[in-house]
Order: sequence, then C-alpha cells, then structure tokens
Amino acid sequence: DAKTTQPPSMDCAEGRAANLPCNHSTISGNEYVYWYRQIHSQGPQYIIHGLKNNETNEMASLIITEDRKSSTLILPHATLRDTAVYYCIVRVVNQGGKLIFGQGTELSVKP
Amino acid sequence: GAGVSQTPSNKVTEKGKYVELRCDPISGHTALYWYRQSLGQGPEFLIYFQGTGAADDSGLPNDRFFAVRPEGSVSTLKIQRTERGDSAVYLCASSLTRRQGVGSTEAFFGQGTRLTVV
Repeated sequence: DAKTTQPPSMDCAEGRAANLPCNHSTISGNEYVYWYRQIHSQGPQYIIHGLKNNETNEMASLIITEDRKSSTLILPHATLRDTAVYYCIVRVVNQGGKLIFGQGTELSVKP
Repeated sequence: GAGVSQTPSNKVTEKGKYVELRCDPISGHTALYWYRQSLGQGPEFLIYFQGTGAADDSGLPNDRFFAVRPEGSVSTLKIQRTERGDSAVYLCASSLTRRQGVGSTEAFFGQGTRLTVV
C-alpha cells in the first residue's frame, strides 16, 4: 500500500504557483520523498526528490517539514503543460528501491 | 537510445493467448522495474530486477505472469493464458543504483505497452 496521502484533485490558474501537498506521517529515516508526474498517455516523469532538506531544480521546489511527516511540491509558475497527475512517493534508500504509487493529485492548470 | 523503449506500443490479443512485452532500458542502468496501470489508477508495481536477477517479484499477481532479464539489459514480461482483466498499460522503468547510504537515483519510465485482451 502507498504510504502517502494526497488530495485527489486541485486547480491552479496559469502563471500562478501550484502548491501540491502530501502527507507521509509514517515515513522512516531511510526513506526519501519522491515526486513524479504523469501527463495523459505518457509514462511517469521524475520531478524531484529529497530526504530532509528543501530542494529546488529547474522544474520545481520541494519543501519537507522538519518532522518529515509532510511535504509540498511547488511549481512556481504553472503553465497549461503542467496539467497532469502528480504522485508523491516515499522510497527506501537501497540498491534500487521500488516506487509504490498511490492515486496522486490530478492538477488542472486553467487559463 | 536516449530513453526507455517499450515494444510494442499497442497489443491486442484474444483471451487465453500468450503475450510477450519487451523493455529496452537506458544503457548502463542496472535496475529495471515493471508496472501495470489500469485506467484511472496509479501504476502498480509488478517486479524489480537488479542485473539479471529478480530482486523483488512480490507484485506479480499470479503464476501466469513471468519476467526475465537474461543478460541484465533487455527484459521481457510474459503473460500466459491472458484474461480480460489483464488489459492495462504495462510500464517499464530503469535506473542506476548506488551503494547503500549514498542515496537513490530516479527511475526513468518508458511510454508503456497498452495491452487489450478481447
């Protein structure tokens, strides 16, 4: 079973920041938080991951609370192409580590 | 190629037939994963290979499903006696692996094979 909880859907206005929350209250010390997204009819695409520090890359920022029980993915300036299902996943740090997907959040970016 | 390649992109088969789905991972990636995704659901883990061996096959639903990766690169997912409930998109992903404690790396997914059992 997925170890994360996400809202099933969210809307965001184009050009505004999209803030996608995720709860992972049972996360273990050796588990990273990963975010993937899936645009319709495509395979999932990696966005970002982190352990305990906030992370930023060219796609997004990841804010992890100090107790690590929740996180927020931030798309700073959402575009119509960001419309997708966003998955928050906790993944064990080992040689590989399977990703267990939940239902994700369906983000709709509207003009 | 530059990414994970899956063939065929679409497969229609009759109930009871045998099918093989192929995955070409990114060159040099030692970890390979198979997932199944039904409409409106998140991807469901099936099996994970580390090199040639199946490190975790806990997601295979029953003994009609089998996967191989004989040379540690290309993998084939095999489904015997297909049933209509096997209809789904089958996704493959690959990643590098690092020794424990250094950190995990992201998995790259292919576009999937859409299997329809009629």
